[in-house]
This record gives sequence, structure tokens and C-alpha cells, in this order.
Amino acid sequence: SQQGEEDPQALSIQEGENATMNCSYKTSINNLQWYRQNSGRGLVHLILIRSNEREKHSGRLRVTLDTSKKSSSLLITASRAADTASYFCATPRADGLTFGKGTHLIIQP
Amino acid sequence: EAEVAQSPRYKITEKSQAVAFWCDPISGHATLYWYRQILGQGPELLVQFQDESVVDDSQLPKDRFSAERLKGVDSTLKIQPAELGDSAMYLCASSRGSVQETQYFGPGTRLLVL
Repeated sequence: SQQGEEDPQALSIQEGENATMNCSYKTSINNLQWYRQNSGRGLVHLILIRSNEREKHSGRLRVTLDTSKKSSSLLITASRAADTASYFCATPRADGLTFGKGTHLIIQP
Repeated sequence: EAEVAQSPRYKITEKSQAVAFWCDPISGHATLYWYRQILGQGPELLVQFQDESVVDDSQLPKDRFSAERLKGVDSTLKIQPAELGDSAMYLCASSRGSVQETQYFGPGTRLLVL
């Protein structure tokens, strides 16, 4: 079963705009991770935010975590064509990561 | 930069045939995972190894799937016999230690069963 659910399922924006995608999860967590997947490729780890952190930055990425609402958001600023990909949030459970269905992001030139 | 290696990258087979996928994790990573990803979905865990031992394979369809990591380094995932519904991307990932840590994924093996 899938723990996290991303929203929206698909997002199309113009290059240079900011992209925001959200993730909701069901059970308590120690951390939440965001991954990117380019079409037909493996997943690339973007950022890990721990349950005692509220916000974390990495380059053009900003992740927030609200454990009271069991939700997280990923903001990509100043989007580029190369950001076109699917983005997944993932939460650790005893045997591995549980992923949502992902947000498919398209950056229009 | 060290990467997780997987082969083959693509595999086409007929149903009822046997297929095998290979994964070589990042050197020094004790934990290895196999995930299956159906098109349009997120990855779903099949099996987790800690060194050569299976930690959890509760999601592995054991009537047809098997996985091993004999020397605690590289790993093989086998399907016998393959069914049409097995068509998916099979992803291998590794991490240094616990499941709480960042996982590093290989490029995946895309399987098509005809």
C-alpha cells in the first residue's frame, strides 16, 4: 500500500516559473524524502527532511514538513527545461521506502 | 561518483519464460533493495537485504519470484515463470545502513512480457 500521495498528479508550467508539489502521508515518520525520476530512468535522491525539521533548502529546492498535518511540499524555483520529470515523496517504513504515485512536472520552453 | 549498476537495461521475454536481473550496489553499502514500478505508479518494495540476509520479502510473490545476495555484495532477482502482469521497471537501490537513510537507485531494468 502507498503511504504518501502527491498532489497534483500533473503540473505544466512555463520555464522560469516556480513549481510547487505537495505530499500527504498517513503514519508518523522519522523523515521524508523527495526523489526525481526522469522518463524511463532510475530515481535520484533530492532531499531528506527529518521529522524535527520544518524547512530545508538545497539549491533551487525548498522542502517543508508539517508533521501535525502529515504533509510536505517541494518548491522548485526558477524552473528549467531539465526539471521536467516525475517527483516522488517517500517515507521509510521497517522494510523500505513507501512511495506515492508522483507528480509529473512538465516545463514548457 | 559511485553508482548502482543494473543489467540488463531492457528485457523482452515471452510468458512462462525465466528472466533474471542483476544489481551491483555502491561499494560498502550494506543494505540492498529491489523495487517494482508499474508505469504511472511509484516504486513498490519487493525485498530488502542486509548484507547477505533477507530482512523482509513479504511483498515478494514467492511462487514465482526469488532473490539472492549470496556474498552480501551483488544481487540477482529472478522470475520464473514470467507472466504478462510482470511487465514493469525493476529498480535496485542501496544504502549504507538503515532504511532511514538515503537510498541510491540504479537505472532500472525495463521488462516486457509478451
